[in-house]
Amino acid sequence: DADVTQTPRNRITKTGKRIMLECSQTKGHDRMYWYRQDPGLGLQLIYYSFDVKDINKGEISDGYSVSRQAQAKFSLSLESAIPNQTALYFCATSDSSRDEQFFGPGTRLTVL
Amino acid sequence: QKEVEQDPGPLSVPEGAIVSLNCTYSNSAFQYFMWYRQYSRKGPELLMYTYSSGNKEDGRFTAQVDKSSKYISLFIRDSQPSDSATYLCAPRGSNYKLTFGKGTLLTVNP
Repeated sequence: DADVTQTPRNRITKTGKRIMLECSQTKGHDRMYWYRQDPGLGLQLIYYSFDVKDINKGEISDGYSVSRQAQAKFSLSLESAIPNQTALYFCATSDSSRDEQFFGPGTRLTVL
Repeated sequence: QKEVEQDPGPLSVPEGAIVSLNCTYSNSAFQYFMWYRQYSRKGPELLMYTYSSGNKEDGRFTAQVDKSSKYISLFIRDSQPSDSATYLCAPRGSNYKLTFGKGTLLTVNP
């Protein structure tokens, strides 16, 4: 079983709709991250959380919100989706004692 | 100037070639230097990382950092078709936030 799972894996939605992307991990890590990947732009950090009560904005948080429901769960919401939020979204986790971030398989989101 | 610059390629080489992948960065606070590998339709996975300047070798892979010139390199010896992927450099400072380069798409042809 995968250590970091993301649901859904693919989603097509319309402009103005509310969307939630979910991430779960079984690695026991305390830190979780949401990234966005666009062709030619690389990975950009949206939000990160170092524990359940700690939420921080990343480079591109406008238009997004997050919820850390438990140590193992971190959700990303688009309150009113717009076409330029079409991208590949990755969740990642890490342990505070190590540097490596482990990535999930990604969610491909298309906003029409 | 972006904090991390990486030539996106694409880079195409024959099997067995030595591959050199490079990044430059501008933030002097970066202390740890990661290389991630991303296969098509997969999430990135950590390949190697180094702390401060110097070299680190792991099998066919060597990571090199020159902090004086703010230059990061990844060398792949005896490249294999299975090395075909996008390689992302990702330095970070003490705040545990990674700053990713755009990635270089590598194809190793049999």
